[in-house]
Amino acid sequence: TQLLEQSPQFLSIQEGENLTVYCNSSSVFSSLQWYRQEPGEGPVLLVTVVTGGEVKKLKRLTFQFGDARKDSSLHITAAQPGDTGLYLCAGAYSGYSTLTFGKGTMLLVSP
Amino acid sequence: SAVISQKPSRDICQRGTSLTIQCQVDSQVTMMFWYRQQPGQSLTLIATANQGSEATYESGFVIDKFPISRPNLTFSTLTVSNMSPEDSSIYLCSVVGSGGAGSYNEQFFGPGTRLTVL
Repeated sequence: TQLLEQSPQFLSIQEGENLTVYCNSSSVFSSLQWYRQEPGEGPVLLVTVVTGGEVKKLKRLTFQFGDARKDSSLHITAAQPGDTGLYLCAGAYSGYSTLTFGKGTMLLVSP
Repeated sequence: SAVISQKPSRDICQRGTSLTIQCQVDSQVTMMFWYRQQPGQSLTLIATANQGSEATYESGFVIDKFPISRPNLTFSTLTVSNMSPEDSSIYLCSVVGSGGAGSYNEQFFGPGTRLTVL
């Protein structure tokens, strides 16, 4: 069974601060996805990273895939209250059709 | 991306009863999944709903407790049987993207069904 560690589990910050969420595995991912979930909704896909060392940007969000494809990070610059939500990383492993989800990071951004 | 709807959006049920949750997709998809999620926590995969054959259940989940139907490529149901308060959770269905270049098992989720068992 693959394990996917995500940290921190909870983050409460003020508007304008920066933050980073980490996702780590002992196994190599074939791809990794980041999702955001707001209360009362299902998770929404933010990004997929595939290539080791890859960096993708989505407005104030920067996603990085480790060179060895075993870890990933999500960095948010100048967080806003609208960024509040549960952030989930999910890894796809070669040969498996399902995703392995991290435990999630609950982010609360206060005005 | 696919548009997915679930019914009901929420329900409050009595212990010992059963509830069937419906998942409808706006396009034909090969793979559909059912998850359980405690509020604010991560997702636990219950089973993969296979069209034309029995669902594939994850460890800790059994067909008698969570029977699943998948009559066609756009629809699935999950039944939570003989419910107890421990079954109170959010139940989500998801589908894998319809493929094409750049598709890497990305999943698209329904809005979820919030179940409370008294």
